[in-house]
Amino acid sequence: AQSVTQLDSQVPVFEEAPVELRCNYSSSVSVYLFWYVQYPNQGLQLLLKYLSGSTLVKGINGFEAEFNKSQTSFHLRKPSVHISDTAEYFCAVSEGSSNTGKLIFGQGTTLQVKP
Amino acid sequence: SAVISQKPSRDICQRGTSLTIQCQVDSQVTMMFWYRQQPGQSLTLIATANQGSEATYESGFVIDKFPISRPNLTFSTLTVSNMSPEDSSIYLCSVGGGQGYGYTFGSGTRLTVV
Repeated sequence: AQSVTQLDSQVPVFEEAPVELRCNYSSSVSVYLFWYVQYPNQGLQLLLKYLSGSTLVKGINGFEAEFNKSQTSFHLRKPSVHISDTAEYFCAVSEGSSNTGKLIFGQGTTLQVKP
Repeated sequence: SAVISQKPSRDICQRGTSLTIQCQVDSQVTMMFWYRQQPGQSLTLIATANQGSEATYESGFVIDKFPISRPNLTFSTLTVSNMSPEDSSIYLCSVGGGQGYGYTFGSGTRLTVV
């Protein structure tokens, strides 16, 4: 069975500082990986996804993530955060080989950007 | 990516009643899913909505409580039946599978049961 672990429940950071949100997954088969952002009282917005190809994936709002198969990780990074990046971030995994489309989510990381 | 319209966006309901949530997609999609997000929690898959057949439910979710319809490839409904305060959550529909769909979500239905 697949699972996703987001290693930090909360990440406080000052504005314009770099940030990394960590995500590790467990799966015995190939996977697709995703990062979503949820702003307060809003739905989920897809930040980026890894399906195949280059392990460095660039997404919206200046975010990027790197797929590391040996470490089963998919950490999200941004070189300089803004106040508007304050939100909940979810890492998710889907089984790639069967392409069921079902997503398993991590518990989420709250990014708090301080002025 | 597909564009998903979900309604209602929010509702406050009395316990013991039922609420039906609608999900409309702007293109035909094979896979549609319903998720629940309890307050302060992550998302949990309720079921896969199958076109022309019964939905496939995840462990802990049953058809009597969460009946789902999928009459065609662009529309699905989720009903939350005989509601209790524990059903207060955000319910989201999603389409997935295939690189063209983008695993996108509707804006969600925020349900409060009083």
